[in-house]
Amino acid sequence: DAMVIQNPRYQVTQFGKPVTLSCSQTLNHNVMYWYQQKSSQAPKLLFHYYDKDFNNEADTPDNFQSRRPNTSFCFLDIRSPGLGDAAMYLCATSRERGRITEAFFGQGTRLTVV
Amino acid sequence: KNQVEQSPQSLIILEGKNCTLQCNYTVSPFSNLRWYKQDTGRGPVSLTIMTFSENTKSNGRYTATLDADTKQSSLHITASQLSDSASYICVVSVSGTYKYIFGTGTRLKVLA
Repeated sequence: DAMVIQNPRYQVTQFGKPVTLSCSQTLNHNVMYWYQQKSSQAPKLLFHYYDKDFNNEADTPDNFQSRRPNTSFCFLDIRSPGLGDAAMYLCATSRERGRITEAFFGQGTRLTVV
Repeated sequence: KNQVEQSPQSLIILEGKNCTLQCNYTVSPFSNLRWYKQDTGRGPVSLTIMTFSENTKSNGRYTATLDADTKQSSLHITASQLSDSASYICVVSVSGTYKYIFGTGTRLKVLA
């Protein structure tokens, strides 16, 4: 059973039109992440939540925002998508257990900007 | 600077053959190291996880090794199958944080 679920799997949006990607988890993990992955590149961390505490990466564009209304859900909002924002967006969760931090990823949402 | 480097960048092998992928890291303080398999267009799926005290971890045909002294890890795939075609990503956790440092991956293609 899927534990980290991203919707939709594929999203096409127009240049400049706001878009929201969603992620839900059934693991009750307190940490949730959003990554951007472009073709043949490693995932790049955009931000993460520890419970309700939001942590933004220094180089994440202002165009990207996130909301976490509760433990299970996290949203990625792109206010004015540009062509350069076309990528796979990955959501992940983790809960630290002693020295081990396990990250579980969703299937990703592939965003196309036209 | 925390970095994870993987080699080779890409690899093509014949079905049934073995292969070894390499990962070198300069992450400090080190918490653990994971190998993920990422199929095209999908999210990464964890294969193994190792802390600094573990040298070897197996998961079916996948065997990962870790040398914490030299900061190197390898992923050995035995008797490769067509379904092994994917990107394999080495990820190192930074101790005391919730951050993961990703390698750029090795793209493996298994041919019939």
